[in-house]
Amino acid sequence: DGGITQSPKYLFRKEGQNVTLSCEQNLNHDAMYWYRQDPGQGLRLIYYSQIVNDFQKGDIAEGYSVSREKKESFPLTVTSAQKNPTAFYLCASSNGQFTDTQYFGPGTRLTVL
Amino acid sequence: DAKTTQPPSMDCAEGRAANLPCNHSTISGNEYVYWYRQIHSQGPQYIIHGLKNNETNEMASLIITEDRKSSTLILPHATLRDTAVYYCIVYSGGSNYKLTFGKGTLLTVNP
Repeated sequence: DGGITQSPKYLFRKEGQNVTLSCEQNLNHDAMYWYRQDPGQGLRLIYYSQIVNDFQKGDIAEGYSVSREKKESFPLTVTSAQKNPTAFYLCASSNGQFTDTQYFGPGTRLTVL
Repeated sequence: DAKTTQPPSMDCAEGRAANLPCNHSTISGNEYVYWYRQIHSQGPQYIIHGLKNNETNEMASLIITEDRKSSTLILPHATLRDTAVYYCIVYSGGSNYKLTFGKGTLLTVNP
């Protein structure tokens, strides 16, 4: 059953702690993305990766870090430098070719207390 | 700098066709029209996309006007599970892979 998985669905952390969100895909897609969604708002791009061992900053990369050591995995770390980390985080993947469709995972809702 | 304009909300009776409009008057020649939907607290679900020809798949039909300045997403027989926010997006890929989601249209399917 192909798709994108994100875990956990809900995550709670204390202020000042780093937290890593998981994103795995078995679609054999080259490109992967992280977006953030705030209540009533559209999605904003955090980071994207077009190929293993390479990634680019999106519009709101400050306070976040990523790695792409494997094609199927693209974890996102929310660091203590991120001022407003509480949000809904969405991971997506695509074949990475021009205009290829991005498919999204179910999301992780992070709440920082 | 929204590139698409959609009505904020629409209602539809269960079993009837839902027609969701989208204006994209500044669309450029290499930009596709994509439609996604998002049910509350879930990830966006891809529905359909097109460049200039009308498209149909198992979920919906996409009608794009000849001048490409507007389009309509058609759900032929809406069900209660189609209640969601529907997003119309213009996207060209390339070096900027960002999908720009606006406010979308909240479609409510009523029994």
